[in-house]
Amino acid sequence: DAKTTQPTSMDCAEGRAANLPCNHSTISGNEYVYWYRQIHSQGPQYIIHGLKNNETNEMASLIITEDRKSSTLILPHATLRDTAVYYCIVRSVQGAQKLVFGQGTRLTINP
Amino acid sequence: NAGVTQTPKFRVLKTGQSMTLLCAQDMNHEYMYWYRQDPGMGLRLIHYSVGEGTTAKGEVPDGYNVSRLKKQNFLLGLESAAPSQTSVYFCASGRFGSYNEQFFGPGTRLTVL
Repeated sequence: DAKTTQPTSMDCAEGRAANLPCNHSTISGNEYVYWYRQIHSQGPQYIIHGLKNNETNEMASLIITEDRKSSTLILPHATLRDTAVYYCIVRSVQGAQKLVFGQGTRLTINP
Repeated sequence: NAGVTQTPKFRVLKTGQSMTLLCAQDMNHEYMYWYRQDPGMGLRLIHYSVGEGTTAKGEVPDGYNVSRLKKQNFLLGLESAAPSQTSVYFCASGRFGSYNEQFFGPGTRLTVL
């Protein structure tokens, strides 16, 4: 699976949109971009995934560049409960669906 | 539905002792996984299973064994615990199919003295 690069930490004001970037320049055609988050001491939680089109669900939006080498997770109206470590993971659609976690981005939402 | 549950939540072992961590899921998922997470790091895959009776090694399998005798349960065993196995262990499950997400349990915090 392709490696990803994320900023170590980010801050965002409560109520504002949080934009978390991820670089995955070696992504291949059969690999999806997944985002998970981990709130302190809890198990990771799935947020969203996409292949090449932008995706939106009740939690977030995912914007993938046309060349698929980078993506941005958007939390439209961040709340204090969104403070967590966010993991961008590139995963092949084949095989056992294994996830390879990097160190992620520690997002802090400030009041 | 309880989702993914893990037993125990906490455990302290002495070096050389053995123990088994139990993961159970009630979502009829085919795939199950065991990860470990060390301080300040992301999760690393220990072993996984794509179905009842089958298991495979992940990224960091040494010192661990697993069994999947029933579809809903995935056991992680430490035969002779070492301090390097002090970690938080997470179990996850997922449906068969390329695009499905994994559901994680609450974790087991293990300390080996």
